Order: sequence, then C-alpha cells, then structure tokens
Amino acid sequence: DAGVIQSPRHEVTEMGQEVTLRCKPISGHDYLFWYRQTMMRGLELLIYFNNNVPIDDSGMPEDRFSAKMPNASFSTLKIQPSEPRDSAVYFCASRRQGLTYNSPLHFGNGTRLTVT
Amino acid sequence: QQPVQSPQAVILREGEDAVINCSSSKALYSVHWYRQKHGEAPVFLMILLKGGEQKGHEKISASFNEKKQQSSLYLTASQLSYSGTYFCGTEIVNTGKLIFGQGTTLQVKP
Repeated sequence: DAGVIQSPRHEVTEMGQEVTLRCKPISGHDYLFWYRQTMMRGLELLIYFNNNVPIDDSGMPEDRFSAKMPNASFSTLKIQPSEPRDSAVYFCASRRQGLTYNSPLHFGNGTRLTVT
Repeated sequence: QQPVQSPQAVILREGEDAVINCSSSKALYSVHWYRQKHGEAPVFLMILLKGGEQKGHEKISASFNEKKQQSSLYLTASQLSYSGTYFCGTEIVNTGKLIFGQGTTLQVKP
C-alpha cells in the first residue's frame, strides 16, 4: 500500500500566480479531505469528497480556492491567484467509512506552499 | 464547531504522566487522536466510538465521555518518542467529516 501521495512536496511561487496541488488517495477509500495547517489556525478542513462528489466546501476560504476530484484516484486543489497569506502546509487525507465501521484518516506527506 | 484542546502545551520529564483533553460543543459520534512529529504528517493513534470506552496504544490510552462531549488522552511513563503535537479529531455525525482541534504540543525531556 503506497499510502496517500501528494505532489509537489514544496512549492514556492510569487503572489498572483496559479498554484495546483495534487493528491492520490489510497485505493478503495471512499473519502478524500483537504486540510490546511498553519501555526495560527492549526489543521483546518477546507473541503471533503465522498465517492468523488464534494460534500462540504464550507472551509474553503475564498473563491480563489477550488478543488476537484475527477475520479477515485486523483484530486486537485487550486489557488488562483495566490496570496502570501495562503502560505501553509496543505495535507490531503483519505479514509474508508461506512455505517458499521469507523476508520482512521491516512494523511499524505503534505505540500509546503510558500507565496512570496 | 472546532473541538477545544487543553492544555496548549506540556513539558514533561521522561517517566512522567500527562493528560490531554478535548471537548466539543456538540454531541459526538466519534473521536480520533493523532500525533504529529515536526515536519511530518499526523499519524493515527486511536478511535473512540462508545461513551466511556477506553482504548490503548502502548502506554497511551484514551477515554470518551459522551454525556460531557469530552475525550481525554492519557500518556503514562512518557518517553522521548512521545514528543510531538497531539490532535483530537471529532465527528459529529456519521458523515465521515473529521474536524481537528488546535493541537497540544508535548515535549518530553531526558
């Protein structure tokens, strides 16, 4: 099992540029989550998907942020245009979930985004 | 809806015990505990589903009080390897959605 795979590991970009973060969840997992981690806010849930469908995007800070999950094995988080306050570590995580069981989140290694 | 963790930070000597608390303003379906080392991703420790249920992981255990909407993580005879930031994640209903507290930073010194 390869685990949750995120790319890139590090991204440095200039303000105003478009940034795309990528995630491959664990095969067979029903749910995919995007979290943002900063010292001030901790681990914030941005959006999550169930069976490729966005369920709750109330954590997405602004219209500059968008996320897609075109299939069960791939998701993207896009920021356009990026701003310095978007600098953070972005984690993707996946899990299986059902009515009769409760399973843990598996996190990717994260993407450290720096916007200058 | 974010759970509240306390304390925010703890410093211990090896062998000492610690308790980290997590409380929610809403009724909980489940509580998860994760540990994150500096520069790494959070790693799963345990899930609690039933009221009053305690689970263990090495010398780390946890309880879940449904009525009080609280969970506590107990670290006994702490080791240097226990250092890190501990997060509780709460699930209000069985939707799959997990929201995390601010984290508690634990430092264990020799």
